[in-house]
Parts: sequence; structure tokens; C-alpha cells
Amino acid sequence: QPVLTQSSSASASLGSSVKLTCTLSSGHSTYIIAWHQQQPGKAPRYLMKLEGSGNSNKGSGVPDRFSGSSSGADRYLTISNLQSEDEADYYCETWDSNTRVFGGGTKLTVL
Amino acid sequence: QVQLVESGGGVVQPGGSLRLSCAASGFTFSRHGMHWVRQAPGKGLEWVAFIRYDGSEKEYADSVKGRFSISRDNSRNTVYMQMNGLRIEDTAVYYCAKDLAGEPLDSWGQGVLVTVSS
Repeated sequence: QPVLTQSSSASASLGSSVKLTCTLSSGHSTYIIAWHQQQPGKAPRYLMKLEGSGNSNKGSGVPDRFSGSSSGADRYLTISNLQSEDEADYYCETWDSNTRVFGGGTKLTVL
Repeated sequence: QVQLVESGGGVVQPGGSLRLSCAASGFTFSRHGMHWVRQAPGKGLEWVAFIRYDGSEKEYADSVKGRFSISRDNSRNTVYMQMNGLRIEDTAVYYCAKDLAGEPLDSWGQGVLVTVSS
């Protein structure tokens, strides 16, 4: 069963960029992941699917400011031109057969 | 568009039971597996259970195995979660989500709150 590791918090200034990391456990470095955004008090929202090659496929309506990339076991979510509404929790997700695994989430603060 | 609407939450005493429902629309329900995912107050997302599109296969997280049971009614486009032997640590917002094998959970309901308290 894969394990996903995320930093608990991150912060960046309005209008700047931030790169969030999700790391796959040993032996699972090729797994595809997804990124989800959860704004305060709301349900999670699917952002994108991200492969180990760096190929990504964004969900409907996700702004171009959100992009994904990969390096080895690390999967990244980069948010450019940060807006106040980007302040949220960000979770990575992966799957193994019919079960789903989530990272612990990163709380992003926009300064 | 895809819509998932959970219901059935509430306050229940430890050891009690509750049944959650998730009504689906906007997609061919009978062709998709479904998941339940929960989130305890102030905590992260935790996968709870999965049911195959035809109900023939079910999977559970260890934390709920033997106490929770997932089922579905394809004629009603609804997935259920029967929760027995509830514990204080089961207090959470419960979300249902649509499955597509090998793909992320791309559609989530709005969630329903379950509070286990004496």
C-alpha cells in the first residue's frame, strides 16, 4: 500500500508562486497521483491527475495558474500568481486496486 | 453535470447506528464504482469504503471493517453506508465520490456530518 507524504503547511505572498510537494513511498515512485483543493468549509475539489512522467490532466474549470510536475517519487503542484481564494488545504491522492490513499494535506496560507 | 448529494447524518450515541445515503445524478450510475471518504474535524481525508459498479466487490478501511457496510441500489442511483457500533472517533464529515478505475476521484458530494457523542 503506497503512502503519500506532504508538508503540513506552506505560505507565499499574493501574486507570487508556490510549489507544493507530495512524495510517494519507496517502491511506489511510478504511481499516478491526483491533487485536490479544499477551501475552508467546502468539499474537496479535483484539480488534476499527475503521472510520473510529468504529464498532467486538469479538471474542468481549473485555472491555468495551476500546474503539475514530477521528479522521481515527488509530485508537485505549482500555483502561479497566487490569489486570496487559493488559500486552502491541498491533498494528494493515489490508488491501489480499489482502495484510495490520501496524503496528510498541506495548508496553504496566502500572505 | 455530476451531482452527488449525501444525507442521513446526525448525532448518535457511542455504539449506535446510522445509515448514510448518497444520491447520484448526471452520469450513468450503474457503470461506476463509488467510494465513501471521511474527514474528522480539523483532520485530513481518510478513505473509508468502495463498492463496485454492480455491487459484487466491496473494500473497507481497517478502521471500519466489520462495523460499516457499503451497498447500492442502481435502480435508485443511490449508494449507502450502514454504520454500526459507532465510536467517538467516527465523528467526521462523510463524502461520497465517483470512481473510475485507474482514475482519480473527480467528483465529490458536499458531505454530511456524523457526530458520535454521549
